[in-house]
Amino acid sequence: DQQVKQNSPSLSVQEGRISILNCDYTNSMFDYFLWYKKYPAEGPTFLISISSIKDKNEDGRFTVFLNKSAKHLSLHIVPSQPGDSAVYFCAASADGTASKLTFGTGTRLQVTL
Amino acid sequence: EAGVAQSPRYKIIEKRQSVAFWCNPISGHATLYWYQQILGQGPKLLIQFQNNGVVDDSQLPKDRFSAERLKGVDSTLKIQPAKLEDSAVYLCASSLARAPNSPLHFGNGTRLTVT
Repeated sequence: DQQVKQNSPSLSVQEGRISILNCDYTNSMFDYFLWYKKYPAEGPTFLISISSIKDKNEDGRFTVFLNKSAKHLSLHIVPSQPGDSAVYFCAASADGTASKLTFGTGTRLQVTL
Repeated sequence: EAGVAQSPRYKIIEKRQSVAFWCNPISGHATLYWYQQILGQGPKLLIQFQNNGVVDDSQLPKDRFSAERLKGVDSTLKIQPAKLEDSAVYLCASSLARAPNSPLHFGNGTRLTVT
């Protein structure tokens, strides 16, 4: 039972344009959401998070939007840069903390010149 | 600050053999996690330690997997005997215990291939 779903395995975006990565979840108990970025042969690195009491969180070029009624969140990267090319994982927690995370399957983003 | 250290980076073993992975978390991080990432999937939590005590091991296949964190710092994860389906990347992560929303910091993982 995949409680966190990333239905797009890959995404290609031109440099300078907006990248939008999507994530859906089924467990209504999830109350804290995170995005991690992963380069090949490295561990995931934390990117941005959002609590269920908010609907938007912004950090530089990265913005995460949360739609609780739709059980959907998205990560916007603008403008996209070649260094953003990586696999992005959506993760969720049901205890209000960043621990005990349930991860999605990831979306591979390629930013082209 | 130094990151989460894991060794070895790669390991190839035959099924039914034993294997052990080592993790040294970021200094001062009381919480330590082991995740399993099978190819094409997201990481899945195996076990969570708070200092040297187990907080959650509900998804650890205890018939073959074991983990310990004896002095509340380094940790080892062992598989005995290994099966083909154990082929995966094993990721160690750590976080600050006192900050509930402190994100996990992951090591680079150990890639295990079971033949």
